[in-house]
Amino acid sequence: DIQMTQSPSSLSASVGDRVTITCRASQRISSFLNWYQQKPGKAPKLLIYSASSLQSGVPSRFSGSGSGTDFTLTISSLQPEDFAAYYCQQTYSTPRTFGPGTKVDIK
Amino acid sequence: QVQLQESGPGLVKPSETLSLTCTVSGDSISSNYWSWIRQPPGKGLEWIGYVYYSGFTNYNPSLKSRVTISLATSKNQFSLRLSSVTAADTAVYYCARLNSVANDAFDIWGQGTMVTVSS
Repeated sequence: DIQMTQSPSSLSASVGDRVTITCRASQRISSFLNWYQQKPGKAPKLLIYSASSLQSGVPSRFSGSGSGTDFTLTISSLQPEDFAAYYCQQTYSTPRTFGPGTKVDIK
Repeated sequence: QVQLQESGPGLVKPSETLSLTCTVSGDSISSNYWSWIRQPPGKGLEWIGYVYYSGFTNYNPSLKSRVTISLATSKNQFSLRLSSVTAADTAVYYCARLNSVANDAFDIWGQGTMVTVSS
């Protein structure tokens, strides 16, 4: 199985801050990487697919980059509705695996 | 718009079989891949498996011996059966559409249903 790790596991930030979350795969996965946002009590929501493609309807302050083993999700200017958990997921091989998540909360 | 809705018992006894159904509206089950994902309380996401409209399935090896995902095409539904459950299977269970055009991402999710395994 491909293991996914994320850092940091949690972070505190203020509205307007630039936030970067890192995801690392245990082997090279090209650009087969997706990002999700999950708010408490809600289902995850797709933000980014193929490492850098913005899902329809997702604000442009979200962006993704990377390939191979190292990936980043960036929120250019954090908004109140962005406080949530973020998960990366690889689709290079089965079983599909997710990172452990990064929780973004209010400083 | 496309919507998914999980249904099934919220409480299952240990050693019994967990059965859930996902009803799809706004899209045909006879297209795309359809998946189940779960999330234990306070923990991360675990992919359970998916089914294609042809009936082809792919399961997480960690659950493969206990899992069956199947289609009910006439009802536009797909289902999950997980046998011999234990407390470790207590989780929120989500059904989701796998979008093969978008890097196999799960682009539409149900709201999730909490299943507790307890006697």
